[in-house]
Amino acid sequence: ETGVTQTPRHLVMGMTNKKSLKCEQHLGHNAMYWYKQSAKKPLELMFVYSLEERVENNSVPSRFSPECPNSSHLFLHLHTLQPEDSALYLCASSQEVTSGHRDFGPGTRLTVT
Amino acid sequence: AQTVTQSQPEMSVQEAETVTLSCTYDTSESDYYLFWYKQPPSRQMILVIRQEAYKQQNATENRFSVNFQKAAKSFSLKISDSQLGDAAMYFCAYVKRGGTYKYIFGTGTRLKVLA
Repeated sequence: ETGVTQTPRHLVMGMTNKKSLKCEQHLGHNAMYWYKQSAKKPLELMFVYSLEERVENNSVPSRFSPECPNSSHLFLHLHTLQPEDSALYLCASSQEVTSGHRDFGPGTRLTVT
Repeated sequence: AQTVTQSQPEMSVQEAETVTLSCTYDTSESDYYLFWYKQPPSRQMILVIRQEAYKQQNATENRFSVNFQKAAKSFSLKISDSQLGDAAMYFCAYVKRGGTYKYIFGTGTRLKVLA
């Protein structure tokens, strides 16, 4: 297991619910990322934070709202999601945004009903 | 725009045999990293091997090695002496060295290891 953890590991929510995904890293990294992984598609970068400042919002719908209160924690707040948002959401971190290597978390399997 | 293509959605290999996973990419950059990541079922993605484009020598990590052909923009992964624990999705990825955080991933190859 790497030093990036995610909770919950599985989440089922209705379209009117509000929930949050949590990511935590204890690697001393300065950059954190949210990715969406859908079957048979490349990983999609959603958000990038560097030193707690958002540096990328990759055309993600506003029903996804990230939060980075400190360099060790990253949240993804979810509200009024659609069934097509069902996917595996991966958190990752790296020393800097320019670092080549990413450490990934185990992901949260999200199902929107 | 940069792209990464993995043309083999699924591969199978007998235990103890050797298998090669293909990856091609397209970029106009000269300095970049290439990676192979492994994602076992229900487990987190981990780095298998990394190649720096300015290094001509192919990267090797125990039973894993790459065949990096920069001119052909090809980056294949060879797994020798395959083990049951090698069964996973394998993703090829590219990132420009420095100044960008935009990894480009391929769609993955599912590797099955047959006992």
